Amino acid sequence: AQTVTQSQPEMSVQEAETVTLSCTYDTSESDYYLFWYKQPPSRQMILVIRQEAYKQQNATENRFSVNFQKAAKSFSLKISDSQLGDAAMYFCAYRRWGGSEKLVFGKGTKLTVNP
Amino acid sequence: GAVVSQHPSRVICKSGTSVKIECRSLDFQATTMFWYRQFPKQSLMLMATSNEGSKATYEQGVEKDKFLINHASLTLSTLTVTSAHPEDSSFYICSASEISYGYTFGSGTRLTVV
Repeated sequence: AQTVTQSQPEMSVQEAETVTLSCTYDTSESDYYLFWYKQPPSRQMILVIRQEAYKQQNATENRFSVNFQKAAKSFSLKISDSQLGDAAMYFCAYRRWGGSEKLVFGKGTKLTVNP
Repeated sequence: GAVVSQHPSRVICKSGTSVKIECRSLDFQATTMFWYRQFPKQSLMLMATSNEGSKATYEQGVEKDKFLINHASLTLSTLTVTSAHPEDSSFYICSASEISYGYTFGSGTRLTVV
């Protein structure tokens, strides 16, 4: 079974600085998707970024970018120019390729942004 | 973008009663929806996968008779917590798969059983 590990229960960053959240996963599949979701205090799950495993290029979305290392099964999230609104729980997630497969979530990392 | 509406956002019920939570995809058809439970400061725990027109697939350890799931149309799935007890108090979240292969989540339901 696939597993997702987030080894940092909590992280903090100063406003305007850069922070990297770690995620590793275990799978025997070659094709899959990886996601980072943000859950602010409102508890609404928000998609931050998505990566298809077959793509070598790392995904980016404005201030958010990933470092996808397929061989190492690593998928870290970098947040640049951190803002107060980035404070939230961040969940890394994996899903198999094809169809409507379920998401497998990590335990999450709580990010605090200090002014 | 894809929107999933979940109602109610909060509900308080008496022990022994049943509560229904609705999850609607507003601007897309969702053949598959997922129901999660989230305890405070923890990750999302998948309870079941709901497929339109067929029986839901429950995760190991989830009581089918307590958590009834119905997915009667391509835009609506419901979760009914039957004979609720205080230990069922939790935050329940639904999500639906959409064409971009991401998942859109509802805003969640906080259930309190007294």
